[in-house]
Amino acid sequence: DGGITQSPKYLFRKEGQNVTLSCEQNLNHDAMYWYRQDPGQGLRLIYYSQIVNDFQKGDIAEGYSVSREKKESFPLTVTSAQKNPTAFYLCASSVSGQGGSQPQHFGDGTRLSIL
Amino acid sequence: KQEVTQIPAALSVPEGENLVLNCSFTDSAIYNLQWFRQDPGKGLTSLLLIQSSQREQTSGRLNASLDKSSGRSTLYIAASQPGDSATYLCAVGSNYQLIWGAGTKLIIKP
Repeated sequence: DGGITQSPKYLFRKEGQNVTLSCEQNLNHDAMYWYRQDPGQGLRLIYYSQIVNDFQKGDIAEGYSVSREKKESFPLTVTSAQKNPTAFYLCASSVSGQGGSQPQHFGDGTRLSIL
Repeated sequence: KQEVTQIPAALSVPEGENLVLNCSFTDSAIYNLQWFRQDPGKGLTSLLLIQSSQREQTSGRLNASLDKSSGRSTLYIAASQPGDSATYLCAVGSNYQLIWGAGTKLIIKP
C-alpha cells in the first residue's frame, strides 16, 4: 500500500538531548513537509522540501533541523535548542508544486514528550 | 498574513442530524481550501479539496462549499453517524504552504 510511515509513534526526550523523528513515503512524491500540532491550535509548518537535497524553513524552524538525501525520506531532528518540544508531529507529502496548491497526504504522527 | 478560523471549537449533536461546520479566512488569494478529518491520536485524512475556481465539492454525505469573496467555507454533513465523531480541520492553500484552522471537535451522540 502507498502511504507515509512515521516512527516512532511515541518518543521521549531527556534534557539536552537531540532526537530524530523518521518519515518515509512510497508515494513517489517530490514534496515533503513537517508540521507541529499543539492542543487547541492549527498545524504549524516547521520545514518543507520540494525536491531532494533542498529544503526551506517554515514558520517555526528554530530548534529543528532536517535533511533530504533521498526522495522517500525526510527525517526531522528536534535539537536541545527547542525548549518546548512536547507536541504531536505530523509528516506530509504531495506531488510537486507550490506547497499550498496540491493535496497533502499525512502520516499517523509522532507524539514527543519531555522526560 | 492569512489567518484561518473555525467556529465552534466543539459541537455535539444527536445522531441523524444534518450539520454544518464553518471555516473563515482573511485573504481571498488562495489556491484551494481543504477539509481534513483527524481521529484522536492519529494523522489527518483528506476529505475534500476545493480549487479556488470551484464553488463546491461533494463526497458521499459530505459537501463543502467555498465563497472566496466572503472568505468562508462550510462543510455540510448529512445524516450524521457516531462514526463521524472526530476533529475536522480546514486548511487554506496560500503561497507556499497550507494555513490551518484549529479545528472543530465533533461528537455525534447515539
